[in-house]
Amino acid sequence: GIQVEQSPPDLILQEGANSTLRCNFSDSVNNLQWFHQNPWGQLINLFYIPSGTKQNGRLSATTVATERYSLLYISSSQTTDSGVYFCAVGSSNTGKLIFGQGTTLQVKP
Amino acid sequence: ETGVTQTPRHLVMGMTNKKSLKCEQHLGHNAMYWYKQSAKKPLELMFVYNFKEQTENNSVPSRFSPECPNSSHLFLHLHTLQPEDSALYLCASSRGWDNEKLFFGSGTQLSVL
Repeated sequence: GIQVEQSPPDLILQEGANSTLRCNFSDSVNNLQWFHQNPWGQLINLFYIPSGTKQNGRLSATTVATERYSLLYISSSQTTDSGVYFCAVGSSNTGKLIFGQGTTLQVKP
Repeated sequence: ETGVTQTPRHLVMGMTNKKSLKCEQHLGHNAMYWYKQSAKKPLELMFVYNFKEQTENNSVPSRFSPECPNSSHLFLHLHTLQPEDSALYLCASSRGWDNEKLFFGSGTQLSVL
């Protein structure tokens, strides 16, 4: 099955800093989503981005499907950005989403 | 608020108990899912329902029994669980079952004693 690898596993930032999170996947996909899980467990869908670039406020994401990776950019980070960021991918073969291990982000004031 | 509501938020049960988790979505979606999130592990898909029909059972033990009476409601019935079943159980929904944006509930944190 598809393998999903996220990096870095952990990240500590000072408030106001920028960061880039990476998601590599091992096979062709036609579904890629980024999620943020807050410290209380709630998962919020940030982007549905099987290809191309999208922006939503301070967050943006780019997926280069031909090279099998996606990047999530966080600019001017805030303490509320803390939590775990998951990348999940799906292929036309299964319709199931496979989740990566996540990147744990801590933003310090 | 994601439009997907799960109850209860926390549950403690003994190994001989029977309990149920409930999920309701207010988004008009047709597909609903149960995921399990254990500490230090990625989210694992358990079950998928599309238009009330189960389309995926990801080799889940029979002590977990899902029920989907309609497209808006999903239950997970629990019976004779083991301590290693302690985890965060997440419900999700999407417009269709394949390659659609997923919306999650806030989860039920389950502890099995």
